[in-house]
Order: sequence, then structure tokens, then C-alpha cells
Amino acid sequence: RKEVEQDPGPFNVPEGATVAFNCTYSNSASQSFFWYRQDCRKEPKLLMSVYSSGNEDGRFTAQLNRASQYISLLIRDSKLSDSATYLCVVIKYGNKLVFGAGTILRVKS
Amino acid sequence: NAGVTQTPKFQVLKTGQSMTLQCAQDMNHNSMYWYRQDPGMGLRLIYYSASEGTTDKGEVPNGYNVSRLNKREFSLRLESAAPSQTSVYFCASSYSPGQGLGQPQHFGDGTRLSIL
Repeated sequence: RKEVEQDPGPFNVPEGATVAFNCTYSNSASQSFFWYRQDCRKEPKLLMSVYSSGNEDGRFTAQLNRASQYISLLIRDSKLSDSATYLCVVIKYGNKLVFGAGTILRVKS
Repeated sequence: NAGVTQTPKFQVLKTGQSMTLQCAQDMNHNSMYWYRQDPGMGLRLIYYSASEGTTDKGEVPNGYNVSRLNKREFSLRLESAAPSQTSVYFCASSYSPGQGLGQPQHFGDGTRLSIL
């Protein structure tokens, strides 16, 4: 079993739709959680950190459920520019990141 | 502000050749990392350097060596390239003030390496 698992998608949604991705992690000692965004043939870029109480950044909302060991990302009012691969990232200890394989989102007009 | 700079951006090698991938960061970060990304696998950590003067193996270190030349630079060397090392390689850095404090990482724009 992979340490961090994501539904690879692709999720094909129309502009304006709300879409949610989940990510599960296997190590209960995981300490920190992030969502990264990766555009095609580009480097990953930090989208947002995920806090225990949940957090929001504009159209993006991240949630953490430690009991069930999953994190989620909700995107409201999807834009064409949201099309990308979204990577779930978990830090177990120190500063070593473990990446999920990513979920592909395609927003269509 | 360049952030994390990787060279080269593209490279084609023959099996058995050696080469070094270069990485430099100008953000005064303490920690640096090398990853490889393969389709369907996500990013996998090859080696990392928590601070200047230290290096440690990651998930997939076999066939690679690294050098933390100074605080800014962290190089990855393939001594005898194999087709299985065909991948996209990313260097990253982060400011790690201490153990247990998760810090996001900043990535270079990658090196696309093909081994024939």
C-alpha cells in the first residue's frame, strides 16, 4: 500500500463547478500536510497548507481528518486556469515530504 | 529572485555514461532535496541534505550520489546511467528551522533526462 494515495482522475468538470479531491495517508505519525499544484511539464508549486481546524484560501478549502487519516481539497467556482494535477503531500517527521501520485483536474468551458 | 535553479533542463545520455545535475538556491534555505518523477508514481525522494555538510538517503538512492557543495548548491551525480533512470528530476529547497516542523518546499523547474 502506498503511503499517500490519491484518486488519479481525471476529474472533468465544467467551469463554475465545485469539485473535491480526497487523499488518504497510512502513517498516523504524519505531522504536516500540504496541497501542491503541478501544471503540465512544470514544477510542483505549493497551493496551500492544511491545518487541523481546516482552512480556506479564496475558492480553495482544505480539510484534515486525523482520525480517518485523510485530507481533502475543495475547489469552488472552477476556472479554466484550475486545470492541473493536484498533489497531496504529507510530512512524517523532520522535513521529508511524501507525495501522492496526483489527481488530474480538467476544467472545460 | 531566481529561487531554485537547475541545470541542464534537458539531457540525453547513453547507457553507462556519467553526468552531474546541478542545483542552486538563493533563498538562504538550509535543506535541499533531489526527487525523481515518473508517470503514475508521484515524486520520490532520492537524497536530501538537511543542512550544509550533511546528506542522507531518501526512498530511491541506488545509482545516485550527491554533494552539498555549500549552503546554496546541491548536485546529483549518475555514475553509470541506466535506462531505468530516465525520468524528470526536481531539486527543491526549504527553510528548516528544526526537526518536526514541516516546511513547504520550493522546486526548480526540472531536468528531463533520457537514457538510451
